[in-house]
Amino acid sequence: AIQMTQSPSSLSASVGDRVTITCRASQAIKNDLGWYQQKPGTAPKLLIYAASGLQSGVPSRFSGSGSGTDFTLTISSLQPEDFATYYCLQDYSYPRTFGQGTKVGIK
Amino acid sequence: EVQLVESGGDLVQPGGSLRLSCAASGFTFNTYWMTWVRQAPGKGLEWVANINEGGSEKNYVDSVKGRFTISRDNAQKSLYLQMNSLTAEDTAVYYCARDKYTNGSDAYDIWGQGTKLTVSS
Repeated sequence: AIQMTQSPSSLSASVGDRVTITCRASQAIKNDLGWYQQKPGTAPKLLIYAASGLQSGVPSRFSGSGSGTDFTLTISSLQPEDFATYYCLQDYSYPRTFGQGTKVGIK
Repeated sequence: EVQLVESGGDLVQPGGSLRLSCAASGFTFNTYWMTWVRQAPGKGLEWVANINEGGSEKNYVDSVKGRFTISRDNAQKSLYLQMNSLTAEDTAVYYCARDKYTNGSDAYDIWGQGTKLTVSS
């Protein structure tokens, strides 16, 4: 199975900060990667698909980039509602695999 | 309203069986792949299984192969996960999700609220 490694595992940031989360695949996965946001006690929410496609209704401060093995989720200006855990998910091969998550907390 | 509602979660003894259900509404169910994802207490997300529109193609994570079976009833707009030989490691909240499969990539755009399975004696 392809292993997905996110970094950092957690971070503290302030409202207005630019935040970058990275996801590295154990082998090349083209652009077959999505990003999900999860808040405590709720289901995950799709943010980005196909590495850089912005899901309908998701604010434009979220963006994704990368291909091959290295991917990035960027929040250009962190808002109070963005404090959550973020996961990447590869869909290049089966079984699909998530990264371990990155918790974004308040500084 | 586009919606997925899971049900069937329960407390089950090790070695037991359970079937989870996911009822879809507000969209044309038989035109989407569907997926199960789980989350153990305090842990991250784990992809479990998916099934194609007609139910002829199914894929599983290795840890559930031979024990879990994903299925669907398009007439009833329902997705199922039959789970056998349950162990404590299967304890989790189970989510069903719709895959809108855009630009050649999975995209789980609609999720249920989750149903909780606890495996314990």
